[in-house]
Amino acid sequence: NAGVTQTPKFQVLKTGQSMTLQCAQDMNHNSMYWYRQDPGMGLRLIYYSASEGTTDKGEVPNGYNVSRLNKREFSLRLESAAPSQTSVYFCASRSGGGSGNTIYFGEGSWLTVV
Amino acid sequence: AQKITQTQPGMFVQEKEAVTLDCTYDTSDPSYGLFWYKQPSSGEMIFLIYQGSYDQQNATEGRYSLNFQKARKSANLVISASQLGDSAMYFCAMRGVFSGGYNKLIFGAGTRLAVHP
Repeated sequence: NAGVTQTPKFQVLKTGQSMTLQCAQDMNHNSMYWYRQDPGMGLRLIYYSASEGTTDKGEVPNGYNVSRLNKREFSLRLESAAPSQTSVYFCASRSGGGSGNTIYFGEGSWLTVV
Repeated sequence: AQKITQTQPGMFVQEKEAVTLDCTYDTSDPSYGLFWYKQPSSGEMIFLIYQGSYDQQNATEGRYSLNFQKARKSANLVISASQLGDSAMYFCAMRGVFSGGYNKLIFGAGTRLAVHP
């Protein structure tokens, strides 16, 4: 009963380093999302993917790239990490179609850039 | 542009009492969905309740109900009979179905609820 799985859960990076956050869902969902949550704030959408092979920018895409590798996996890459990217990152997925459908979140990835 | 506003940074409630968390939204999409999520201190996001813009009745899920007033563009969460375990951060979110809003889920800043014994 895995749902949405994110790795790593915790990571510390030095400024300028690169890394990729991995996300996989086993619910055969079409849509996948990456959000960031800064202390005391709500989630802001970084990128989303409506279906395999498509990606679109959200509210705060600068400094990030994404890859929808297949229907299961949606990765988020920081090419040159900056302290402003210190945040908690959430991956989420949803089945397509209609105006309903619960969105399932992963447990979050805590990223610190020093 | 879509926007979600939660004007209450923090709320306090006595155990077993009801509490209302406010949420207003703005969208030009003709069809949209409204969600409430709970985020306890452990960090995970827990889905609570959903309301579709064309749903005639207010959504209810156990102790949670959504007071949906479409004309006022508000979607307040009502928690009845509060429990200590309800202490958490609560987020209102909106998803558009058509045009530029499709597949985008936008969150409010959240309301931190503290339940006192």
